[in-house]
Amino acid sequence: QLQVQESGPGLVKPSETLSLTCTVSGGSISSSSYYWGWIRQPPGKGLEWIGSIYYSGSTYYSPSLKSRVTISVDTSKNQFSLKLTSVTAADTAVYYCARDNMGATGSFDYWGQGTLVTVSS
Amino acid sequence: QSMLTQPPSASGTPGQTVTISCSGSSSNIGSNFVCWYQHLPGTAPKLVIYGNNQRPSGVPDRLSGSKSGTSASLAISGLRPEDEADYYCAAWDDSLIGVIFGGGTKLTVL
Repeated sequence: QLQVQESGPGLVKPSETLSLTCTVSGGSISSSSYYWGWIRQPPGKGLEWIGSIYYSGSTYYSPSLKSRVTISVDTSKNQFSLKLTSVTAADTAVYYCARDNMGATGSFDYWGQGTLVTVSS
Repeated sequence: QSMLTQPPSASGTPGQTVTISCSGSSSNIGSNFVCWYQHLPGTAPKLVIYGNNQRPSGVPDRLSGSKSGTSASLAISGLRPEDEADYYCAAWDDSLIGVIFGGGTKLTVL
């Protein structure tokens, strides 16, 4: 059974960089046809797609976050990572990593449990 | 359009059928697959419909998806208390070159 799990600091200071890693187990991140994505949910708000990556390194980013986001993949560790720079309180959210089962379509079938990241000094 | 349009709330009594709509445009729903998520507070979202109308393994056939033009719908028949959750639609957008979600619909089982 595939599992994905987020890890990283739960507290980030304003203007600093948020960094999270997603570890994939029970399957290979290098499997063809799958993209791997980051999604977040600010408190009291809906789901927001951040970006997705293929094992080859090909990426798609949300236009509203593109200037601050980098998603990378480490196939040797079966992990992919998120970096979000210059964070503000508006970036406080539960961050999820997930597998897109139909290429880059938004059809995320396996999700991590989510990790709350709070931006505060 | 940066977000698909869903009604903020929906409700029904046990046994009823409830339908949640999702409106988009030619660049997203009109030309790409739609999927639906069920989200309970404190848990990860669960994919309940993908490819417009396909159910992942384990999702009951009481849930069904459909698409027509630039709109999609999720129907839940034989409503049960455990169906009470937030539901989100999502699709790829060719103009934004990315995934967009609907704003979410809170389903209440009365």
